[in-house]
Amino acid sequence: KNQVEQSPQSLIILEGKNCTLQCNYTVSPFSNLRWYKQDTGRGPVSLTIMTFSENTKSNGRYTATLDADTKQSSLHITASQLSDSASYICVVGKGNTPLVFGKGTRLSVIA
Amino acid sequence: GAGVSQTPSNKVTEKGKYVELRCDPISGHTALYWYRQSLGQGPEFLIYFQGTGAADDSGLPNDRFFAVRPEGSVSTLKIQRTERGDSAVYLCASSLSGTGFNTEAFFGQGTRLTVV
Repeated sequence: KNQVEQSPQSLIILEGKNCTLQCNYTVSPFSNLRWYKQDTGRGPVSLTIMTFSENTKSNGRYTATLDADTKQSSLHITASQLSDSASYICVVGKGNTPLVFGKGTRLSVIA
Repeated sequence: GAGVSQTPSNKVTEKGKYVELRCDPISGHTALYWYRQSLGQGPEFLIYFQGTGAADDSGLPNDRFFAVRPEGSVSTLKIQRTERGDSAVYLCASSLSGTGFNTEAFFGQGTRLTVV
């Protein structure tokens, strides 16, 4: 079964600190991996998209890494801000078929 | 429009009633997706359209759920004989083509369906 597992389930950090979210997947064949940010009550918004040949991709304070051999990805957030509080969802694409979503990590940034 | 638009934003219905949820994708996007998201969960795939045809409807939970996209743009998700377990946020997304490559998928804000 194609699965995307994320950890931790939830995380609380102080404003200004860094954090790293993890994603393991078993989706095959693998085409691309995306990280989405979903604010409460809103639709997901894409942060990064990586193909199997890419190891890292940055978008401002967000940096995603991908190891296609071990089927692992991480999302690193630098110098967190209160507005980073949201769910971060790892999503894997396989061929020309629908995306497979993880359950997300709920991040809370507190002052 | 500028983004994916979903209407209504909230819908409360009684158990057993019929509901329709509408999605207006970004103009020119041929691919359209419906997902369902329960509280604390990631979105779960329901159905995927490429143009007017349903390319993959394997995520529809049962025959009470049906979706159409008659002209290849607006899509309607239809739920018959609603049950309390159908309560969730229904998300729609669109992209220029299929998502096998680096095609960006854009999501609407969702319709929150509550069955009482």
